[in-house]
Amino acid sequence: QKEVEQNSGPLSVPEGAIASLNCTYSDRGSQSFFWYRQYSGKSPELIMFIYSNGDKEDGRFTAQLNKASQYVSLLIRDSQPSDSATYLCAVFPQYNNNDMRFGAGTRLTVKP
Amino acid sequence: GAVVSQHPSRVICKSGTSVKIECRSLDFQATTMFWYRQFPKQSLMLMATSNEGSKATYEQGVEKDKFLINHASLTLSTLTVTSAHPEDSSFYICSARELAGVYEQYFGPGTRLTVT
Repeated sequence: QKEVEQNSGPLSVPEGAIASLNCTYSDRGSQSFFWYRQYSGKSPELIMFIYSNGDKEDGRFTAQLNKASQYVSLLIRDSQPSDSATYLCAVFPQYNNNDMRFGAGTRLTVKP
Repeated sequence: GAVVSQHPSRVICKSGTSVKIECRSLDFQATTMFWYRQFPKQSLMLMATSNEGSKATYEQGVEKDKFLINHASLTLSTLTVTSAHPEDSSFYICSARELAGVYEQYFGPGTRLTVT
């Protein structure tokens, strides 16, 4: 089992819709969770991080964490074509708080 | 957010030569810097972790004699690809963790290396 799993997509949503990106992780003791956005040919950009169960909102983005289910998600409201990118989920496992582990990423396409 | 720079952004070199890539944290001090490699349409692969003033810790399968990492200060880490071969052609990205931060990591813009 991979440490961090994401559906590779592509996920396609129409402009203005809500995009829902999901991520599961294997280490139950993980404490810190991050979402990065990576445009093609560019390096990842930190969007949000979440440490506590529940929702965390920042503008059009909402991160949701459920530690019991080992599940973290990212919702993008009012999706725009500029949101089209690969979204990487990252987790700090409990056994190694030094190295962030990344999922393979979900490719999102927002169609005008 | 914190800013991390990388230089050069793009480099083409001949097989057998060495290439040095610099990673700098511009507006913060970084206790730990990370080097990743990413091949087209693949995910990030962690190569090594470096802490200021100490030897880097390499991931399994990454040759430490080929990928030399130096983290001489809290704002600078370098990756030297020695005796580069075409299979080393990739997108190399550094990342830095802020000294005063918790776990947030910020990425540099990446260096695209092409070995001919």
